Amino acid sequence: GIQVEQSPPDLILQEGANSTLRCNFSDSVNNLQWFHQNPWGQLINLFYIPSGTKQNGRLSATTVATERYSLLYISSSQTTDSGVYFCAVGSGNTPLVFGKGTRLSVIA
Amino acid sequence: EAGVAQSPRYKIIEKRQSVAFWCNPISGHATLYWYQQILGQGPKLLIQFQNNGVVDDSQLPKDRFSAERLKGVDSTLKIQPAKLEDSAVYLCASSLDAAYGYTFGSGTRLTVV
Repeated sequence: GIQVEQSPPDLILQEGANSTLRCNFSDSVNNLQWFHQNPWGQLINLFYIPSGTKQNGRLSATTVATERYSLLYISSSQTTDSGVYFCAVGSGNTPLVFGKGTRLSVIA
Repeated sequence: EAGVAQSPRYKIIEKRQSVAFWCNPISGHATLYWYQQILGQGPKLLIQFQNNGVVDDSQLPKDRFSAERLKGVDSTLKIQPAKLEDSAVYLCASSLDAAYGYTFGSGTRLTVV
């Protein structure tokens, strides 16, 4: 099945700093989503982005499907950005396969 | 629109007991998923429904886990008998189709003691 690798596994930032999270996948996909899992365990859909670039406030994402990677950018980080960020991909009608996540800690 | 509803929020049971989780997807979403998330890991698919039919249950431990989606709306996931390693968060998600965005519920945190 499709493999998903996320990097870095852990990231500690000072409030106000910028960061880039990476997701590599092993096969062509027609579904790619970025999620934020908050400290209470809720998975929040950040972006549905099988290709192209999207922006939502301080967050943006880019997927280069031909090169099988996606990037999530967080600018001017805040303590509320802390949590685990997951990349999940799907191919055809197969359900999303999740990576192991990037654990982000933003300190004041 | 209302989100994906799950209940209960928490459950503690002894090993060898049975437990059931309930999920109500977003209205109109044909596809429903159950994922298991063990602490420190990413969610792993247990079963995928399209309307009331099973699409993928290849990773469901069928000797103890069962799931159904009657009438293509609500779904229940059952574990009988539970083992210690079943301690996890059970997440339900729905989407219009597998190639569309998923919306997750708040999950059920199961502790087996």
